[in-house]
Amino acid sequence: QLQLQESGPGLVKPSETLSLTCSVSGGSISTNSYYWGWVRQPPGKGLEWIGSIVYSGRTYYNTSLKSRITISADTSKNQFSLKLSSVTAADTAVYYCARLAVSGHVLYFFDYWSQGTLVTVSS
Amino acid sequence: SYELTQPPSVAVSPGHTAIITCSGDNLGDKYVCWYQQKPGQSPVLVIQQDDRRPSGISERFSGSNSGNTDTLMISGTQAMDEADYYCQAWDSRAVIFGGGTELTVL
Repeated sequence: QLQLQESGPGLVKPSETLSLTCSVSGGSISTNSYYWGWVRQPPGKGLEWIGSIVYSGRTYYNTSLKSRITISADTSKNQFSLKLSSVTAADTAVYYCARLAVSGHVLYFFDYWSQGTLVTVSS
Repeated sequence: SYELTQPPSVAVSPGHTAIITCSGDNLGDKYVCWYQQKPGQSPVLVIQQDDRRPSGISERFSGSNSGNTDTLMISGTQAMDEADYYCQAWDSRAVIFGGGTELTVL
């Protein structure tokens, strides 16, 4: 059974960089059949896609966040990571990592999700 | 940028069929999936690629497309189906989520 688990600070100061890592167990991220992505959900609000990566390093980013995002993959550790720079209170959210089924360059659906981690931006 | 529009809320009586819509330009040209999210939990995929039910999802969940609108139907709605539902599609190299629909079972 595939499992995803995020790790990282739950509190980040304004203007600093939010860093999260997603560890994958029960399967390898080194496959072209799936992308690996980040989704966030501000308290009481809907889902927002942040970006996705395939193990070879190709990425897709939400254009509204693109200037602040870096998503990378470490196949040796079976992990992928998110860095979001210059955070503000608006970046406070539950952050999920998830597996995304693909076909060619079409990304279809998230079939496995992490439990989510709340990241609060506050001084 | 591309948008998916869902009604903010839908109410249904127990045992009846809940219908949740998701609208977007040329949506018939895209694959749509649906997620169920209960309070404090991660989203769960209930419909993939318009009308396919993932393994382990109740047969009461079904999806369909007609033109610019995709529809999630939950037949014989139960109290356990009360949740937020999100549609999602892929457009112009981006994952797009609908705003979500809160399903209330009265």
